[in-house]
Amino acid sequence: TQLLEQSPQFLSIQEGENLTVYCNSSSVFSSLQWYRQEPGEGPVLLVTVVTGGEVKKLKRLTFQFGDARKDSSLHITAAQPGDTGLYLCAGDDNYGQNFVFGPGTRLSVLP
Amino acid sequence: ETGVTQTPRHLVMGMTNKKSLKCEQHLGHNAMYWYKQSAKKPLELMFVYSLEERVENNSVPSRFSPECPNSSHLFLHLHTLQPEDSALYLCASSQDQGSNEKLFFGSGTQLSVL
Repeated sequence: TQLLEQSPQFLSIQEGENLTVYCNSSSVFSSLQWYRQEPGEGPVLLVTVVTGGEVKKLKRLTFQFGDARKDSSLHITAAQPGDTGLYLCAGDDNYGQNFVFGPGTRLSVLP
Repeated sequence: ETGVTQTPRHLVMGMTNKKSLKCEQHLGHNAMYWYKQSAKKPLELMFVYSLEERVENNSVPSRFSPECPNSSHLFLHLHTLQPEDSALYLCASSQDQGSNEKLFFGSGTQLSVL
């Protein structure tokens, strides 16, 4: 079974600070996705990474897929209160049919 | 109205009640999903429908019964639930089933079983 771990579990920072959250596994994934879930809402897809070593940027968010396609990181520059939420990573399951999700990193950005 | 819509947003039910959760997608997608999100576990896939056919049932207890009458609608019928079934139930859709797809989630139904 493909398993994803995310760290840290919780993170509380001040507005303007930088942060990095991690998604790790012992399994190789053909692709990884990152979602953000705000309180009272469903997850919203932020990015999909498919190539080992790939880096994608979305405004102040930088996503990286590990060379071995077993891990990924999300770096946020100059965090804002609007970045508050649960950040989930998801990878393809053993059969490439569905996704398995990590437990998430709950980020709180204080004004 | 666009996206994935779930009703009700909140539901409180007793262990002997029967209720149904509804999901509607306006995206023209062919695959629909039910996920369970509880405080202590990652998002768990419950059911997958592709072109209105159930293609996956991840060992979900029979007290949860899905129904997909057409490609735009998905229901989750609930009966004789247990308190540990209290969770956020999320519906999602994608163009087709597969790990290369993008999932679009509804806002969820927060279920409390008393």
